[in-house]
Formats: sequence, structure tokens, C-alpha cells
Amino acid sequence: DGGITQSPKYLFRKEGQNVTLSCEQNLNHDAMYWYRQDPGQGLRLIYYSQIVNDFQKGDIAEGYSVSREKKESFPLTVTSAQKNPTAFYLCASSGPASGSRETQYFGPGTRLLVL
Amino acid sequence: DAKTTQPTSMDCAEGRAANLPCNHSTISGNEYVYWYRQIHSQGPQYIIHGLKNNETNEMASLIITEDRKSSTLILPHATLRDTAVYYCIVDRAGNNRKLIWGLGTSLAVNP
Repeated sequence: DGGITQSPKYLFRKEGQNVTLSCEQNLNHDAMYWYRQDPGQGLRLIYYSQIVNDFQKGDIAEGYSVSREKKESFPLTVTSAQKNPTAFYLCASSGPASGSRETQYFGPGTRLLVL
Repeated sequence: DAKTTQPTSMDCAEGRAANLPCNHSTISGNEYVYWYRQIHSQGPQYIIHGLKNNETNEMASLIITEDRKSSTLILPHATLRDTAVYYCIVDRAGNNRKLIWGLGTSLAVNP
């Protein structure tokens, strides 16, 4: 089945620790995205990548880093510089849909908690 | 980017049509209207999108007013599994990365 997978489902981070969230897609999409969602809020864009080996900062990139070495993979690292990392993290990808319009497909999310 | 306004919450009886309104009075001529929904603790799911004309797919119908300043998402026969937060988003063609997510409408489908 085609889709987007994120792992782990839950992740715990200690103070001063870097953690990496995995995102993999087999939809052959060029573009991938990372969002953060806080309780009762909408999604906010952290980073996005439109092609392999290229990515751009979104609205809240501080304290995060990404890489895009393969088309299928777009891991997100939450660094120790991110002082309030507790949130629900969502990965998405997009590609041509019906009528040549791009829509975003989302993974199931990773919930990050700080110990 | 155009901003959208949606009611915070709505209720609907199971089996009845759910009509979710969205106001986007500052929409530009080249901006599409997208609808997504998010069931609790899951990733959002694409529902439908449109530019000017009304659209229908297996999930829902999208009615866009002639002046494009508002739209309505219609779930024709709501089920309990349609309970979710529904997001209305506008975005320029080819600018999918810049989707601006508001708070959406929390739809509760009641038995």
C-alpha cells in the first residue's frame, strides 16, 4: 500500500538531548513537509523540501534541522535549542493529483514529550 | 495569503447532511479553496478542493459562492466516523507548501 509512515509514534526527550523523527513515503512525491501541532491549534510549518538535497525553512524552523538525501525520506531532528518541543509532529508529502493540483498527504504523526 | 473564518464547533445528527461554512472574503483570483479533516490524534486527510465551480467526490461536495468569498463543505450523510476537525484553507496554485492552517471547525456527529 502507498503512503507515509512516521516513527516512532511516541518519543521521549531528555533535557539537552537531540532526537530525530523519521518520515518515509512511497508515493513517489517530490515535495515533503514537517508540521508542528500544539493542543487545540492548527498546523504550523517547520521545514519543507521540494526536491532531493534541497529544503527551506518554514514559519517556525528555529531549533529544528532536516535533511533530504533521498526522495523517500525526510527526517526531522529536534535539537536541544528547541526549548519547548512537546507537540504533535506531522509529516506530509505532495505530488500531482487529479486536475494537476497538488494535495498534501499526511503520516500518522509522532507525539514528542519532554522528560 | 487569504485568511479563512470558520465556526468553532458544530453538531450534526447521524444520517443527516452536515454543512460546514467557511468565509474567505479576501481570496484572490488564483487561490484555490481546500478542505482537510483531522480525526483526533491522527494526521489530516485531504477531502476536496475547488477554484470556482462546485465540486463533488466520493467524500463530499464543495459549494463555492459566485463571488468566491465563501464556501460550504457538505457531507451528504454524516456518520459517527465523520466526527473530526475540518479545516478550510485557501492557497495559490502551485504554492501548496504555504497552506495556512487555522483552528478549523470541530464537527460532532451524534447518534
